[in-house]
Amino acid sequence: QSALTQPASVSGSPGQSITISCTGTSSDVGSYNLVSWYQQHPGKAPKVIIYEGSKRPAGVSNRFSGSKSGNTASLTISGLQAEDEADYYCCSYAGSSTLFGGGTKLTVL
Amino acid sequence: QVQLQESGPGLVKPSETLSLTCTVSGGSISTYYWSWIRQPPGKGLEWIAYIYYSGSTNYNPSLKSRVTMSVDTSKNQFSLKLSSVSAADTAVYYCARAPKYCTNGVCSIYYFDYWGQGSLVTVSS
Repeated sequence: QSALTQPASVSGSPGQSITISCTGTSSDVGSYNLVSWYQQHPGKAPKVIIYEGSKRPAGVSNRFSGSKSGNTASLTISGLQAEDEADYYCCSYAGSSTLFGGGTKLTVL
Repeated sequence: QVQLQESGPGLVKPSETLSLTCTVSGGSISTYYWSWIRQPPGKGLEWIAYIYYSGSTNYNPSLKSRVTMSVDTSKNQFSLKLSSVSAADTAVYYCARAPKYCTNGVCSIYYFDYWGQGSLVTVSS
């Protein structure tokens, strides 16, 4: 099974919205609404910000939202803030396996 | 608040076995899955394996022949062994908790809610 496909980088200005895509196949993203998203700042452990496609853990800002269409999941960050600059990874249940995306570096201009 | 802490050697020689332990505090190891995830320097995340507190395991197919996970509920710990390591196994190794997801009588994991801080393991002679 191959890793999920994410853009290597995205950027946006403070206050803007950005969307990060995560493309899989009908065997993973397309078959289950079980995509999770993780935020990772340099030198830190990843932190879950979205699970089960669109659910936010307690304490995560409602500026983060998740969705899915077909084999592609998306993470949208609205009202960009400087602290959102980080790496973002998607992850999908894939039956007997778990797949991560290659990661997307978000730059806040 | 659940906390996870990885421990083990930071340097392993090529062809030898990498061994790491994760100690869970602030909660019981029971009723959850527990997983290992790694991240080579400057690269992305890779799921390695998970174990249920009962001892049932599931391994990444690409690493399956070299990986063994175990759990010690009396110590609230779980462990990873990766054999025949090479430089390609150099990475930060994270342990993480994974809530259970069941469908049609089959249970697995679907996300990672608590992570350890990570342990850098370098494979070098």
